[in-house]
Amino acid sequence: GAVVSQHPSWVICKSGTSVKIECRSLDFQATTMFWYRQFPKQSLMLMATSNEGSKATYEQGVEKDKFLINHASLTLSTLTVTSAHPEDSSFYICSARDQGREQYFGPGTRLTVT
Amino acid sequence: DAKTTQPTSMDCAEGRAANLPCNHSTISGNEYVYWYRQIHSQGPQYIIHGLKNNETNEMASLIITEDRKSSTLILPHATLRDTAVYYCIALNNAGNMLTFGGGTRLMVKP
Repeated sequence: GAVVSQHPSWVICKSGTSVKIECRSLDFQATTMFWYRQFPKQSLMLMATSNEGSKATYEQGVEKDKFLINHASLTLSTLTVTSAHPEDSSFYICSARDQGREQYFGPGTRLTVT
Repeated sequence: DAKTTQPTSMDCAEGRAANLPCNHSTISGNEYVYWYRQIHSQGPQYIIHGLKNNETNEMASLIITEDRKSSTLILPHATLRDTAVYYCIALNNAGNMLTFGGGTRLMVKP
């Protein structure tokens, strides 16, 4: 079956630093990848949609200069949280959509900003 | 995509069938009903989806009413590992992204 991986699975960083999270589709090509954020005891909230080779589309209220998304290839998208603050601490989940339009999720990355 | 409504939480005894309802009264003709679940601190896992007919796979069965305004996900023999939040999503398969509501927190008890 289709597998999506994320790296790292968890990360702790200091306030003011930047963190990069990778999302890879391991056995299929993903023209579209999605980034979600989930706070404790809440549902997943879509942050942005990225299409390979083009700029990401951000949801309302998500700062594009703070959450940099790059989708340079059909199997890799990255999310960089710039100048992280404690309120950015969250569970970040990516998903990838294959040619059949099914969407597969990664295992998530837990970010803690101290 | 149509809005879905699910109970906030449900309990089920281990070994019994878990029946999770979902209302999607405004669903349009080209929208599928998808079910995902999320076990604590993991990414969502696809369970099943359907359009009109009932569907069954190795994980669950999906029963969709004839008017398509509601559906039920059935886990035939719930185990403790089925404890999770279950999300019902109505999705136009033309390319829209999955939008998650509150889901149902299913607790399977011994």
